[in-house]
Amino acid sequence: KNEVEQSPQNLTAQEGEFITINCSYSVGISALHWLQQHPGGGIVSLFMLSSGKKKHGRLIATINIQEKHSSLHITASHPRDSAVYICAVNRYNQGGKLIFGQGTELSVKP
Amino acid sequence: SQTIHQWPATLVQPVGSPLSLECTVEGTSNPNLYWYRQAAGRGLQLLFYSVGIGQISSEVPQNLSASRPQDRQFILSSKKLLLSDSGFYLCAWSVPERIYEQYFGPGTRLTVT
Repeated sequence: KNEVEQSPQNLTAQEGEFITINCSYSVGISALHWLQQHPGGGIVSLFMLSSGKKKHGRLIATINIQEKHSSLHITASHPRDSAVYICAVNRYNQGGKLIFGQGTELSVKP
Repeated sequence: SQTIHQWPATLVQPVGSPLSLECTVEGTSNPNLYWYRQAAGRGLQLLFYSVGIGQISSEVPQNLSASRPQDRQFILSSKKLLLSDSGFYLCAWSVPERIYEQYFGPGTRLTVT
């Protein structure tokens, strides 16, 4: 079993829909990251969380440390949001090393 | 501002040939450096990380090696490539003071034929 699990693996949505991607982890962590990977492969960091909730534009990330669960929400989705979204964690006391989920491939149709 | 460079962007190499991928960081000193690989259909996996010149830690047994000859240069190498070495290789950096903030390079897509 992977230490970081994401669901769903694939997601197709219509433009304007509210989207949720889930991440569960089984280890103690110092921080959790949501990353975005576009078709060319480049990765952009969206959020880094250790507690609570963060919002940036139409993106919202939440984390529940007790339940070892995080969600990434996209409001009013747009075709340009189509990408692979990756959850990653810094395991407690392991410094900057990241453990990654398998990613969620999101396709938003116009 | 800080930037990270990787080259080449794409590479096609035959089985058994050597490999050298380079990563350089500008605008920061003494960064922590990381090599990750994304094999086809699989998630990203940490291969190596370095906290200083000549200091390399390997995370998984493999056909690859890493070196850090200069403070802001990180090199991924192989003497003889295997088909299973194909994938997308990403270099990343963080500063020791903000170790959880990691910045990724553009990546190198390697195809071993």
